[in-house]
Amino acid sequence: NAGVMQNPRHLVRRRGQEARLRCSPVKGHSHVYWYRQLPEEGLKFMVYLQKENIIDESGMPKERFSAEFPKEGPSILRIQQVVRGDSAAYFCASSPLPASYNEQFFGPGTRLTVL
Amino acid sequence: AQSVTQLDSHVSVSEGTPVLLRCNYSSSYSPSLFWYVQHPNKGLQLLLKYTSAATLVKGINGFEAEFKKSETSFHLTKPSAHMSDAAEYFCVVSSLNNDMRFGAGTRLTVKP
Repeated sequence: NAGVMQNPRHLVRRRGQEARLRCSPVKGHSHVYWYRQLPEEGLKFMVYLQKENIIDESGMPKERFSAEFPKEGPSILRIQQVVRGDSAAYFCASSPLPASYNEQFFGPGTRLTVL
Repeated sequence: AQSVTQLDSHVSVSEGTPVLLRCNYSSSYSPSLFWYVQHPNKGLQLLLKYTSAATLVKGINGFEAEFKKSETSFHLTKPSAHMSDAAEYFCVVSSLNNDMRFGAGTRLTVKP
């Protein structure tokens, strides 16, 4: 059984470019969560999606960031016009049910470096 | 609103000695509580969870945690540390409305 897959594992972008991070959840999981981890900090919730719907985006910056989880294909976290402060590790997690009382399965993360 | 505080950013123990990682939480609802472990350059892995059943929860790799409502604590313990336990540990509080909060993490170092 494949776990949560994220790609790329490492992504380097110059300021002003776009970053697209992909997450394939565990097969059969319809709930996806994105988190950002800054150096020496814990994980910060960004967005919660359930197939084709954004359930909670309260942790997502209002500008430049967007997320989707289409009916077919992986979930995408998109960062437009990246800035140095976007450099972080971005983790995706999935669960078969809402994660309030259930385990989340985490991917290995994408480490974004903005030059 | 919910919050979680991990009281130690770094804990260092010798191999074979007990481990105690402290976590206090605040929640307006009956919370679920989780401990996750993150090894370097890896994603998070669930160690154990509390969801209103037994207050003493046993997890993987010999870890356990006790939910103490009166103290609003959910400390993680292990009787005897192993070198492979060296990692970052995160305490998480969650409730029905999907409001999940992660602690800042505790880095566990195990000395030979």
